[in-house]
Amino acid sequence: AQTVTQSQPEMSVQEAETVTLSCTYDTSENNYYLFWYKQPPSRQMILVIRQEAYKQQNATENRFSVNFQKAAKSFSLKISDSQLGDTAMYFCAFMKHVWGSGGSNYKLTFGKGTLLTVNP
Amino acid sequence: NAGVMQNPRHLVRRRGQEARLRCSPMKGHSHVYWYRQLPEEGLKFMVYLQKENIIDESGMPKERFSAEFPKEGPSILRIQQVVRGDSAAYFCASSSKQGDTGELFFGEGSRLTVL
Repeated sequence: AQTVTQSQPEMSVQEAETVTLSCTYDTSENNYYLFWYKQPPSRQMILVIRQEAYKQQNATENRFSVNFQKAAKSFSLKISDSQLGDTAMYFCAFMKHVWGSGGSNYKLTFGKGTLLTVNP
Repeated sequence: NAGVMQNPRHLVRRRGQEARLRCSPMKGHSHVYWYRQLPEEGLKFMVYLQKENIIDESGMPKERFSAEFPKEGPSILRIQQVVRGDSAAYFCASSSKQGDTGELFFGEGSRLTVL
């Protein structure tokens, strides 16, 4: 079974500064996806960024980028130029791509989350 | 808005009652997933359905919980004889039938409170 560990329950950062959230995972799979989801106070799960394990290049989405170290099974999220609206719970998630009898099975395993607070 | 729609957003039940949570996937999506989020926890997989079929229910509690995704209408997660430990946010997600994006689209969740 896969496990996802987020070792920082809470973090804070000043507006406009940069912060990095840590995530490690354990798997014996070679083909998988990794995600960072954001959950603001509204509670909706919003996809921030995603990485395919077979890609060596780190994914980037505007102010969000990842540092994917496959050998170390590490997948950290860097938020640059932090904004007040970035305040949220951030969840790291792992998805093993499994082909079942009915097709693909996109089953996510989540970490426990990191509460990020951006201070003015 | 063609996003994943869940209702009700909030549901209060007394112990022993039944709870029914509904999920309409994104337009064109035929794969539905239910996840549960307990307080202070990440989401945990419960069940994966396609139209009229349960594909993977490995995360469902063995008793009192059931799910369906009929040919017509939304997917329904049903919890019978609720207990206080069932209080949680229940999220539905959907994915497309074809393609390999590896992305799930989540609804806003249904928050169940058991008194």
